[in-house]
Amino acid sequence: EVQLVESGGGLVQPGGSLRLSCAASGFTFSSYEMNWVRQAPGKGLEWVSYISSSGSTIYYADSVKGRFTISRDNAKNSLYLQMNSLRAEDTAVYYCARVHHQGVGLDYWGQGTLVTVSS
Amino acid sequence: DIQMTQSPSSVSASVGDRVTITCRASQGISSWLAWYQQKPGKAPKLLIYAASSLQSGVPSRFSGSGSGTDFTLTISSLQPEDFATYYCQQANSFPSFGQGTKLEIK
Repeated sequence: EVQLVESGGGLVQPGGSLRLSCAASGFTFSSYEMNWVRQAPGKGLEWVSYISSSGSTIYYADSVKGRFTISRDNAKNSLYLQMNSLRAEDTAVYYCARVHHQGVGLDYWGQGTLVTVSS
Repeated sequence: DIQMTQSPSSVSASVGDRVTITCRASQGISSWLAWYQQKPGKAPKLLIYAASSLQSGVPSRFSGSGSGTDFTLTISSLQPEDFATYYCQQANSFPSFGQGTKLEIK
């Protein structure tokens, strides 16, 4: 069974940092592209970042570029999101999600981890 | 950036009704489109990928169509468990989502 389990969320002050993790199981993690997607309270879905299966190709949304860093450790079946210089508008549930093998759509999602940026 | 616009933003319907949700891309995206269902407090669930392909395990009452800039998600006969929020997402370039359509019970 495919599982994605996020961790690392919590309350952080503006300007602070947080590192999210996503532990993958039930599939060959190293063969799949991955994404981070977030959802602010009561709002819609916002794509945050993408990483290729090898980690060689990375993209970011303009809203997080220069502040967030996506990475993966295929030996540990894990995906990460390092978030620096956090702002109130980064408050959201953060999901890791696997790209469908045909490249269109995100077929498995974690349960999400809540990041709250507040003083 | 490609903008995705869904309509309507909300819709009220009854069990057994046929419902159609539309999604328009600001530029052509071929068939690089997916549809999701999200229930409160839960992660989104993939329903349709590549505009019209039904994801494994999704009931056949869900269908998708379209290409280029205009797409539709149709639920042929609403069931009680279908009341949720639906999102489209383009995968032609950096992913972007529509604003969502909330499907409510009439």
